[in-house]
Parts: sequence; structure tokens; C-alpha cells
Amino acid sequence: DTGVSQNPRHKITKRGQNVTFRCDPISEHNRLYWYRQTLGQGPEFLTYFQNEAQLEKSRLLSDRFSAERPKGSFSTLEIQRTEQGDSAMYLCASSLAHKLIGLGAYEQYFGPGTRLTVT
Amino acid sequence: DAKTTQPNSMESNEEEPVHLPCNHSTISGTDYIHWYRQLPSQGPEYVIHGLTSNVNNRMASLAIAEDRKSSTLILHRATLRDAAVYYCILRDGSGGSNYKLTFGKGTLLTVNP
Repeated sequence: DTGVSQNPRHKITKRGQNVTFRCDPISEHNRLYWYRQTLGQGPEFLTYFQNEAQLEKSRLLSDRFSAERPKGSFSTLEIQRTEQGDSAMYLCASSLAHKLIGLGAYEQYFGPGTRLTVT
Repeated sequence: DAKTTQPNSMESNEEEPVHLPCNHSTISGTDYIHWYRQLPSQGPEYVIHGLTSNVNNRMASLAIAEDRKSSTLILHRATLRDAAVYYCILRDGSGGSNYKLTFGKGTLLTVNP
């Protein structure tokens, strides 16, 4: 399977613990995105990387959240001191942004998500 | 990204065509119209996109109004596997914040056997 993969698929943690999620994008894709989705809502943008550079962070990404993409390959999203409000599905997506493709034209490919439950 | 408006839910019968509408009256000339869908317990999946002309691919067709203020996603023969939430999203083709997708609540499509 050459799609976007995410691990773990499910995570249950106690309030105050730290958690880390991993995303492996499609190998040739230079852009990687993190979104968060709560029940009944569409996904909300958190942050994105162009290669290894983190270029944008949403205001939703508090200082308890940190994301990295070392060497422009896989990415990790860490949440420190989890709170019950962090319970959500965390989605990763990747895309190939190329100057020959219209800026609004390229699609994003999503992984299956990591469902986080904070008790 | 400009705002889109979609019905909360729609219902269809298996093997019948489905027309999912989307209004985007504030669309700008450089906005692309994208459709994604999300099956239960899965991440969103790209369906189709267009700028001005109607588009067809193996999954669906996209009909864009002449004034571009509305569009319709057409599933030619709905199957049970098409039951999902369908999102209509505008993406700015001129730059700015086009890197991210801004999802609304979408349309929940139910397909009856």
C-alpha cells in the first residue's frame, strides 16, 4: 500500500500524559499537513510542512502541540499534558506541490487518522 | 477561502444518479472548486475538482454553473459504498492560503438499498 499511513490508529491516554503520533506520507510528496476532526465537524487545519520546513501553524495549535518533519519524510505530532478537549481524530495528509500544477489544483491524500481519547 | 453552502443531508437509492449541490456565491475568479468525501471511520478522499469547465473522472462528474456561483457533484449510479459525507471546498489558485483545505460540515449522503 503506497498511501498515507498513520500510527497508532487509536490512542487512549489519561489527562496530563504526553502522546506522539506518526505520519508517513506518500514518498514523493513534498507537502505534509495535519488536521484535527471532532465528532460531527469537518476536519480543521492545524499545520503544514513544505519538505522539512513548517510553514504555517493554525491558532488551534496551542503551545502544548508540536510537530516535526525531520529530513522532509515522516512527521510526528506531539501533544504534551493532554486535556480532555484534545480528544479528536488527528488526520495527516500529503500532496505534491509543483510549480507546473496550478496552486489551487493539486489534491491532498489523507491517511486513516489517529483517534485520540483523553480520559 | 471563500464560503460554500451545502445541504446537511441527502438521500438516494442504490443505482440511481445523485446530484449534490454546492453554492459558492462569493467565489473569486481564481478559486478552484474541489470535492472530497469521507466514508465512515476513514480520512477524507479526493473526488474531483474544476475551475470553469465541467469535469469528469472515474468517480464522478462536476457540473459548474456558467457564473460559477454554484456547482453540482454528480454520482451517476450510487452504490452503498458511496454513503459518505461530501465536502465542497474552494481553493485559491492565486496563492495565499491555498495550501490548506477549509472544510465545512458537508452533506451526509445516505444510499438506500
